[in-house]
Amino acid sequence: NAGVTQTPKFRILKIGQSMTLQCTQDMNHNYMYWYRQDPGMGLKLIYYSVGAGITDKGEVPNGYNVSRSTTEDFPLRLELAAPSQTSVYFCASSYVGTEPLGPQHFGDGTRLSIL
Amino acid sequence: AQSVTQLGSHVSVSEGALVLLRCNYSSSVPPYLFWYVQYPNQGLQLLLKYTTGATLVKGINGFEAEFKKSETSFHLTKPSAHMSDAAEYFCAVSVPSGGGADGLTFGKGTHLIIQP
Repeated sequence: NAGVTQTPKFRILKIGQSMTLQCTQDMNHNYMYWYRQDPGMGLKLIYYSVGAGITDKGEVPNGYNVSRSTTEDFPLRLELAAPSQTSVYFCASSYVGTEPLGPQHFGDGTRLSIL
Repeated sequence: AQSVTQLGSHVSVSEGALVLLRCNYSSSVPPYLFWYVQYPNQGLQLLLKYTTGATLVKGINGFEAEFKKSETSFHLTKPSAHMSDAAEYFCAVSVPSGGGADGLTFGKGTHLIIQP
């Protein structure tokens, strides 16, 4: 059971570069989420998706973009990397029926440094 | 908007002692409440959750939490700490929003240290 898989695990970018953080889940979950975790700050929601073709902004969406072309995949795009985007990024998923219950399964994270 | 406060960024207990991690929330509607655990270099793992019904919720690894509406609290406890419980613990809150996902609002985390 793979669960939620994130790639890469580590990455160093230069300021202004772009990259895509990959996330895939094999549990047929409808909801997927991207969070960032900064030291001592808990997790902040960047974007989420309630199903293929539907995405919406979370608390801290600036500087990021997402797409959800399939149920399984939910990539996060950084267009112009900035030092403030140095963080650990977590993808998560859950199956939500009639009530939203938040993310149930998390990936192991992508540690991103912008220099 | 909802918010979560975790009291104590670090909590240290002796092996075999009671673990108590405190969480207070703010929400204008009845919330859903969660506790997650994060081991080093790993993602978060759901320990337990409260949605409706019984206010004492039992989770994995011997942890439990009690929803106290009058105190707006959802403290996490375990009767006897084990060395393997050393980790970061996050309390989180979500509210029913009529179809939106919203994700969760997380506390800043409590680092649990187990002394041998």
